[in-house]
Amino acid sequence: DAKTTQPNSMESNEEEPVHLPCNHSTISGTDYIHWYRQLPSQGPEYVIHGLTSNVNNRMASLAIAEDRKSSTLILHRATLRDAAVYYCILRDYSGNTPLVFGKGTRLSVIA
Amino acid sequence: GAVVSQHPSWVICKSGTSVKIECRSLDFQATTMFWYRQFPKQSLMLMATSNEGSKATYEQGVEKDKFLINHASLTLSTLTVTSAHPEDSSFYICSAQRWQGRNQPQHFGDGTRLSIL
Repeated sequence: DAKTTQPNSMESNEEEPVHLPCNHSTISGTDYIHWYRQLPSQGPEYVIHGLTSNVNNRMASLAIAEDRKSSTLILHRATLRDAAVYYCILRDYSGNTPLVFGKGTRLSVIA
Repeated sequence: GAVVSQHPSWVICKSGTSVKIECRSLDFQATTMFWYRQFPKQSLMLMATSNEGSKATYEQGVEKDKFLINHASLTLSTLTVTSAHPEDSSFYICSAQRWQGRNQPQHFGDGTRLSIL
């Protein structure tokens, strides 16, 4: 799987939007961009994924650059429960391969 | 609700003991499950791919004789840490995919915290 680069940590105020960036300059044409998050002492949780177009779901939005070399996970209103490590992962289109986790971004939310 | 259940949530045992961890897919069949290990302040590291009805595929550096994986049914994979030592203390996490192919999400268990004294 191609490599991704994320900031080690970010901080946000509660109820403010959060933009979590991810660089993936070596992405191939068949790689999907996946985001997972891991709350303290829990297993990872799926957040969102996309290929080329921006995606929205109940948890977040995913904005993908036109050249697909970067993407941004958007939490529209951060809550204290959103404090977690967020992982941006590239995955082959077949989708049967395991996820390879990088270091992710640790998001702190301040009340 | 949870679609992958892991048991036990935590276990403390003496050095030399063997410990079995179960991973169940609750309402779907999973021909493939994955096992990860996570040390404090670190990311998840893939240990092995568990395949129903066949041998597991281990990542480089993971001792297959120490970490025994059995995927005897389409809803259950087990990881047995044999003769565990303090350096095996870690957070073990399994995952499974509900639908095959086309980038379906992975579902993770809540992990098993293993502490070897």
